[in-house]
Amino acid sequence: SQTIHQWPATLVQPVGSPLSLECTVEGTSNPNLYWYRQAAGRGLQLLFYSVGIGQISSEVPQNLSASRPQDRQFILSSKKLLLSDSGFYLCAWSEDTNQPQHFGDGTRLSIL
Amino acid sequence: RKEVEQDPGPFNVPEGATVAFNCTYSNSASQSFFWYRQDCRKEPKLLMSVYSSGNEDGRFTAQLNRASQYISLLIRDSKLSDSATYLCAVNAGTNAGKSTFGDGTTLTVKP
Repeated sequence: SQTIHQWPATLVQPVGSPLSLECTVEGTSNPNLYWYRQAAGRGLQLLFYSVGIGQISSEVPQNLSASRPQDRQFILSSKKLLLSDSGFYLCAWSEDTNQPQHFGDGTRLSIL
Repeated sequence: RKEVEQDPGPFNVPEGATVAFNCTYSNSASQSFFWYRQDCRKEPKLLMSVYSSGNEDGRFTAQLNRASQYISLLIRDSKLSDSATYLCAVNAGTNAGKSTFGDGTTLTVKP
């Protein structure tokens, strides 16, 4: 069966520091991959999605970037974190266009 | 207007009650529909997909009304453990399976 791993679970970073969050999927090949952010008490905001290695689409302009160096690996990065980058970051995958998405456990990021 | 809208609630119901949530979507070309459950400070988990003919899973029933562009989720015989936020998601069928999520409806089931 397919599983998705996301780490770390929690992260506290100072303003201006870099960020790297990693997500890997097992048990499937060529999944669609997604990064979301969820602010406290709010809905899911799609940040990036990818349909294949090296293919990244950005949904909103921001201080973040994403990369997909391997088929089942999706990385969210920032060179310099802002206070507004705080939130709950979720990685997800789906098998196909009309299939549901499945989420990792999420990373709770606090910027000080 | 948001692409996908839900009544945020909260819905406060007693154990054993039947409760229904609606979710409206604006894109008439939408192809697939889902309900997720999200517990506090946890990731969303797929509850059920929504099919044109409607589908049922135990106490949960999901229905799709394409003409009026909404989906619904009915929970019968509510349990304390049903307390959560329920998110609907809509896929347009293009663009890498992107889902547009509603902001969620919060349900609290009380003893």
